[in-house]
Amino acid sequence: QSALTQPASVSGSPGQSITISCTGTSSDVGNYNLVSWYQQHPGKAPKLMIYDVSKRPSGVPDRFSGSKSGNTASLTISGLQAEDEADYYCSSFAGTHWAFGGGTKLTVL
Amino acid sequence: EVQLVESGGALVQPGGSLRLSCVASGFSFSSYWMTWVRQAPGKGLEWVGNIKQDGSERYYGASVKGRFTMSRDNANNSLFLQMNTLRVEDTAAYYCARHTGASYDSWGQGTLVTVSS
Repeated sequence: QSALTQPASVSGSPGQSITISCTGTSSDVGNYNLVSWYQQHPGKAPKLMIYDVSKRPSGVPDRFSGSKSGNTASLTISGLQAEDEADYYCSSFAGTHWAFGGGTKLTVL
Repeated sequence: EVQLVESGGALVQPGGSLRLSCVASGFSFSSYWMTWVRQAPGKGLEWVGNIKQDGSERYYGASVKGRFTMSRDNANNSLFLQMNTLRVEDTAAYYCARHTGASYDSWGQGTLVTVSS
């Protein structure tokens, strides 16, 4: 049960856009439109930001968007704000289990 | 308001056992799959397993299969995780989460399990 691959860190300045990738295989990300993204601030529980690849739960700003191409899913945050600084995790259904990415630390410069 | 409150975390010796609980409120607990996710200190999230609404189906991650058992008591809106033969590498914060469709839309605050001699 392999983890999905995310960059360890990304950074951007306020107002800019950043994209976090999440690479899996044809057994998980590539085979199901069941990718979700979670934001986690230090010492806090994760929060759902995107589900089913590109859908936003109520209350999540439309600055957050998701997409998928082949075995790679992506989370894009536009108009970066200071409060977006956090760890971000992707997750995908993998047929017999659920896989998480290793996490990406977003730094807002 | 949806609330999930975990409890039961403690310091336990390798080889020992522990039972975690998660009490739900603010939603119809018996209508949802539920999930346990853990996070080792300074590390990423790891799916532990999930359990169907009526408890008839349970799925576990490879690292805990055969050692951990999930159960639920819908009458008392409670989810449980029985952890046996604990290892040092099981040290983590354990979160319960509500499973909606293909994602986890509500999470508890977590309970810390430390396995050490």
